[in-house]
Amino acid sequence: DTEVTQTPKHLVMGMTNKKSLKCEQHMGHRAMYWYKQKAKKPPELMFVYSYEKLSINESVPSRFSPECPNSSLLNLHLHALQPEDSALYLCASSQAGTAQETQYFGPGTRLLVL
Amino acid sequence: GNSVTQMEGPVTLSEEAFLTINCTYTATGYPSLFWYVQYPGEGLQLLLKATKADDKGSNKGFEATYRKETTSFHLEKGSVQVSDSAVYFCARSNTGKLIFGQGTTLQVKP
Repeated sequence: DTEVTQTPKHLVMGMTNKKSLKCEQHMGHRAMYWYKQKAKKPPELMFVYSYEKLSINESVPSRFSPECPNSSLLNLHLHALQPEDSALYLCASSQAGTAQETQYFGPGTRLLVL
Repeated sequence: GNSVTQMEGPVTLSEEAFLTINCTYTATGYPSLFWYVQYPGEGLQLLLKATKADDKGSNKGFEATYRKETTSFHLEKGSVQVSDSAVYFCARSNTGKLIFGQGTTLQVKP
C-alpha cells in the first residue's frame, strides 16, 4: 500500500479565516513533506518533517504553519492567507528522508483564497 | 547547481504513436531519477525510477534508462493511448529534496 490521503479535497476560504489541511500515511514512513503547486508548474517544496521534527522550511511565510502530531499525520495550518496562495497543496511521504528515496504523493487539496 | 531540464510541451500525438519526452539533469553526485505523472485534477503518481547508472525503470509500458554519460533520463513508450494524456515530470533527488523539471504536457488524440 503506497497511499497518502489528504483532506479536504477542496477548500475555499476568506483572507481572515483559519483552516487546516490534513495528510495521513500508514506506510511507516518517517519523512513527510508539504508542496505547493500552481497551475502548469512543478510542485515547490515548502516543509519537510523527518522523525516528527521540522528539518526543512523553504522560507515559507508564517501564515503557513506546519505540524506533525505523530509519524503518520501531517497538518498545515492556514491563517490570513492571500489570494496568491490559491494553489494545489500536495503532501508526500518517504521512508526516512534520505537522499535517494522515493516520495509518494497524496491527491492534494485544491485551495482557493477569496 | 542542481537542475532538471525537460523538453517543452505540449506534445500532441495520435493514439499508438511512439512517445519520447527528453529529460537531462545536472550531474552533482549520484542522484536517483524519477518520472512522475499527473492526470488532470489529481496529485502526482510515481511512474518509474532508477537509482544508478544504466538502470532501466519501467512501468505500464513506459521506460527510461539512467544515462550517466549523457546525464539523461528520457521517457519512452512504444504505443501511447488516449488515457496517457497527462503532465509528466522528470525529477532528481538531492539531499532529501526532489528537484523537478518544468513538466511536459502530453495530449493523445484518438
